[in-house]
Amino acid sequence: EAGVAQSPRYKIIEKRQSVAFWCNPISGHATLYWYQQILGQGPKLLIQFQNNGVVDDSQLPKDRFSAERLKGVDSTLKIQPAKLEDSAVYLCASSLDQVGKVYFGPGTRLTVL
Amino acid sequence: GESVGLHLPTLSVQEGDNSIINCAYSNSASDYFIWYKQESGKGPQFIIDIRSNMDKRQGQRVTVLLNKTVKHLSLQIAATQPGDSAVYFCAENTGSSNTGKLIFGQGTTLQVKP
Repeated sequence: EAGVAQSPRYKIIEKRQSVAFWCNPISGHATLYWYQQILGQGPKLLIQFQNNGVVDDSQLPKDRFSAERLKGVDSTLKIQPAKLEDSAVYLCASSLDQVGKVYFGPGTRLTVL
Repeated sequence: GESVGLHLPTLSVQEGDNSIINCAYSNSASDYFIWYKQESGKGPQFIIDIRSNMDKRQGQRVTVLLNKTVKHLSLQIAATQPGDSAVYFCAENTGSSNTGKLIFGQGTTLQVKP
């Protein structure tokens, strides 16, 4: 079974620039999550989708972060404009449903200079 | 507020010994817990889970214990191997029973000495 795919794996940008991350969940998984993991900390949920609808985006800094899952499969997370404190690993995860096991992708390491 | 914490930031064990990683949670309403292993440069990898209607669950070389009275979770790894070296996170489902929202602790680094 193929896992959660993410790209790019690494990204370096300057502050105030924009960046986008892409995620392809495990086939058939209805629930998709974006997590932010700052170095030395556990992952923190940014947004959760159920199919193409948002279930929870209470921790998403909506003034600069946006995410979409238009067709209920792939998802993109965008940051515009980026700040230094956005440097982190952005993890995409998926699960069959909202109460099942959550599987993570390899993450995108973002460095904001 | 909701939080999940681990008692020790780093645990060092000898190869072949058993490892015990502890986790304390604060939300007594949480009903689902997962242990993840994260190696450097990789995403968290599912190890084992347990629901609140159980107090013990075993997998291959791993056992999770849940003590709801004191809100404590532990991961036991038998015959620890060098490949077990990683950061271990416990995660707590703090949403309603259907939201699947996981809150992670800070993590414990397991170092296995050969």
